[in-house]
Amino acid sequence: AQSVAQPEDQVNVAEGNPLTVKCTYSVSGNPYLFWYVQYPNRGLQFLLKYITGDNLVKGSYGFEAEFNKSQTSFHLKKPSALVSDSALYFCAVRDMIKAAGNKLTFGGGTRVLVKP
Amino acid sequence: NAGVTQTPKFQVLKTGQSMTLQCAQDMNHEYMSWYRQDPGMGLRLIHYSVGAGITDQGEVPNGYNVSRSTTEDFPLRLLSAAPSQTSVYFCASSYLGGSPADTQYFGPGTRLTVL
Repeated sequence: AQSVAQPEDQVNVAEGNPLTVKCTYSVSGNPYLFWYVQYPNRGLQFLLKYITGDNLVKGSYGFEAEFNKSQTSFHLKKPSALVSDSALYFCAVRDMIKAAGNKLTFGGGTRVLVKP
Repeated sequence: NAGVTQTPKFQVLKTGQSMTLQCAQDMNHEYMSWYRQDPGMGLRLIHYSVGAGITDQGEVPNGYNVSRSTTEDFPLRLLSAAPSQTSVYFCASSYLGGSPADTQYFGPGTRLTVL
């Protein structure tokens, strides 16, 4: 079974400071990892994904994520946070086993609040 | 290209009533799925489909039915609504072939309240 943990329910950061949202995962095989963002009263929007290759993945809106296989982590980062980055962030994992289809397992979400 | 659309946006039901949440996509995606979102629990998979005529259960299927008669549509049916089904429901779709890690696209959601 696959699982995702987002240990922080909320992250508070001042505008202009670095932002990190933590995610750890568990899968039986090699993982496909995703980050999604949800703005108030909206659906989820795709930010970035890790399939294979470089451990640092760059995505939309200046976000990036670092894959660490030994620590089974996929933390989301942004060097300089904006007030408009305030939203709910979800980490998700998909097992590479094809029989699993495209099923994603999501973490519980981390609310990010960027203060001016 | 509308992407993934869901109707209605909001719905209030009484316990025991039935209803269908509609989901449609115009991207010719083989894979479609339904999630429910509850505070602190992230998104949990209810049912999914890998193509027309093929559906399977996800993590929390009880109380819900689905069918997939066309590639475009994937309705979710609540057979007899219960207060525990109060939630926000999201439909998502993606390609199956090619890269197995293809991005899932989400609809705007349906907020359901069961009294």
